Amino acid sequence: GAVVSQHPSWVICKSGTSVKIECRSLDFQATTMFWYRQFPKQSLMLMATSNEGSKATYEQGVEKDKFLINHASLTLSTLTVTSAHPEDSSFYICSARDDSGGPSEQYFGPGTRLTVT
Amino acid sequence: DQQVKQNSPSLSVQEGRISILNCDYTNSMFDYFLWYKKYPAEGPTFLISISSIKDKNEDGRFTVFLNKSAKHLSLHIVPSQPGDSAVYFCAASAPNFGNEKLTFGTGTRLTIIP
Repeated sequence: GAVVSQHPSWVICKSGTSVKIECRSLDFQATTMFWYRQFPKQSLMLMATSNEGSKATYEQGVEKDKFLINHASLTLSTLTVTSAHPEDSSFYICSARDDSGGPSEQYFGPGTRLTVT
Repeated sequence: DQQVKQNSPSLSVQEGRISILNCDYTNSMFDYFLWYKKYPAEGPTFLISISSIKDKNEDGRFTVFLNKSAKHLSLHIVPSQPGDSAVYFCAASAPNFGNEKLTFGTGTRLTIIP
């Protein structure tokens, strides 16, 4: 099946620093990728839609200057959490839509646990 | 505003019996529904989906039922197995966003008791 990887799987950083998370589709092309975050015992909340070659579309309430998204190729999207603060600590999950599949056919990465101290 | 709701945060079922997970939605624009299974510290994995033109879809031990008038869907797992223990999320999409954006429910933790 289609595989999506994320790197790193977990990261601890100090408050005020920036962290970059990578999302890769390993065996398919993905013009569109999605970034979610999940707080403990809560739902996955869509943060933004990442489109290759164009600007990301952010959901209401998500600061685009804080969560920088770059979708430079058909297999890679990155999320950079800038000037991270403890409240940014969360589980970040990406998904990638297979260009050859249906619109709802998304494959999820394993997630990245971010802890900001 | 939680447009997709899973009102049972947890469910325990004896191995071999039927597990029924429920999901309600409020947005009448949703026309495609999916169920995902998630283990801790992992991404969700797709289980089964259903389009609004159907009221039932079956795949092996998993069956999803959709009641559009009640804006309700359910996932039936039978027989339940210990490996089914996980958190289950329902998700919905709408054509006005190209059916790409998924709205997730809050999840139900299913525990299968051996």
